[in-house]
Amino acid sequence: EVQLLESGGGLVKPGGSLRLSCAASGFAFNSHTMAWVRQAPGKGLEWVSSISSGSSYIYYRDSVKGRFTISRDNAKRLVYLQMDSVRGEDTAVYYCARESILIRNFDSWGQGTLVTVSS
Amino acid sequence: DIQMTQSPSSLSASIGDRVTMTCRASQSISTHLNWYRQKPGKAPELLIHSASTLQSGVASRFSGSGSGTEFTLTISSVQLEDFAIYFCQESYSTPPITFGQGTRLDI
Repeated sequence: EVQLLESGGGLVKPGGSLRLSCAASGFAFNSHTMAWVRQAPGKGLEWVSSISSGSSYIYYRDSVKGRFTISRDNAKRLVYLQMDSVRGEDTAVYYCARESILIRNFDSWGQGTLVTVSS
Repeated sequence: DIQMTQSPSSLSASIGDRVTMTCRASQSISTHLNWYRQKPGKAPELLIHSASTLQSGVASRFSGSGSGTEFTLTISSVQLEDFAIYFCQESYSTPPITFGQGTRLDI
């Protein structure tokens, strides 16, 4: 069974930093692109960042470029999202998601971790 | 960037009804379109990929159609667990990956 378990969310002050982690199990982790997708309270889904299976290709949405860093450790089956210089608009539930092979959709999701940016 | 627009933003139905919702892309995306259902307080789940292919394990009452810029998701007979928010997502371009704003299905 595919499982994705996020951790690391919490309350952070504007301008602060936080690192989210996603532990994966139940599938060939080093064969899949992984992504972070967020959802602000009461809002829709917003793709944040993706990292290819071997970390060769990394993408970010414009609003987080230069502030967030995605990385992965295939040996430990972990994906990370380092969030620096956070802003109020970064407040959201952050989901770790697995991309299907060959089709850029998200076929498995974690339960999400809440990040609240507030002073 | 490709923009995705869903309509209506909300709709009401009764159990057993047939419902249809629409997703429009700002440019042609062929059949690179996916649909998700998000139940309250839960993570989204993939229902349909490539516009019309049912994801493994998803109930057959869900169907998708369309190509180019206009797509539809149909639920043939709404069940209690289907009262949720539905999102479309294009998978045509390299990132950014874009979702529609969602359609809420209410009782």
